[in-house]
Amino acid sequence: AQSVTQPDIHITVSEGASLELRCNYSYGATPYLFWYVQSPGQGLQLLLKYFSGDTLVQGIKGFEAEFKRSQSSFNLRKPSVHWSDAAEYFCAVGADAGNMLTFGGGTRLMVKP
Amino acid sequence: DAGVIQSPRHEVTEMGQEVTLRCKPISGHDYLFWYRQTMMRGLELLIYFNNNVPIDDSGMPEDRFSAKMPNASFSTLKIQPSEPRDSAVYFCASSRGAGGGRGYTFGSGTRLTVV
Repeated sequence: AQSVTQPDIHITVSEGASLELRCNYSYGATPYLFWYVQSPGQGLQLLLKYFSGDTLVQGIKGFEAEFKRSQSSFNLRKPSVHWSDAAEYFCAVGADAGNMLTFGGGTRLMVKP
Repeated sequence: DAGVIQSPRHEVTEMGQEVTLRCKPISGHDYLFWYRQTMMRGLELLIYFNNNVPIDDSGMPEDRFSAKMPNASFSTLKIQPSEPRDSAVYFCASSRGAGGGRGYTFGSGTRLTVV
């Protein structure tokens, strides 16, 4: 069975600083990987996804993520954080197109002015 | 497409009352999921449907919870009787396929407060 871990429950960064949110997954083959963002009072919005091919994927709002098979990781990055990026971020993994997504516990990002 | 539509956005009810949450999935999506989100437990999958048929309801906390999907464009989650510990944000999501390939589209949620 697949699983996903987000080691950091809370992260605080200063506006303009770079950001990296960690995601580790457990699955035997190449998984489908997703990052979602949940702004306060909103539902989860898809930021980006990885299926195959280039291991560096670009998403909306200036985010990118890199799939590293050797580390079973799919970390989310942004070079310069904006105050509006304060939100909760969820990593999710799917075994294949016919299987359910498994979500991580989320990382809450706070942005200092 | 208008996305996944949930109603109401907010619901405040008294303990013991019946609560019904509603969801309209994206047209053409064959999977529908109900999630509950709380600070303590995070995001929990309650139940999901495939082609209007309930597939796995193992996440439904108690018999007080029930869900239906009478057609491809509508689903309800009912709590009867409601209790204060049911207070949470309830999300509906839909997908084409189980989601491993395309991900889910979430609604904006219903914030339920039981007093």
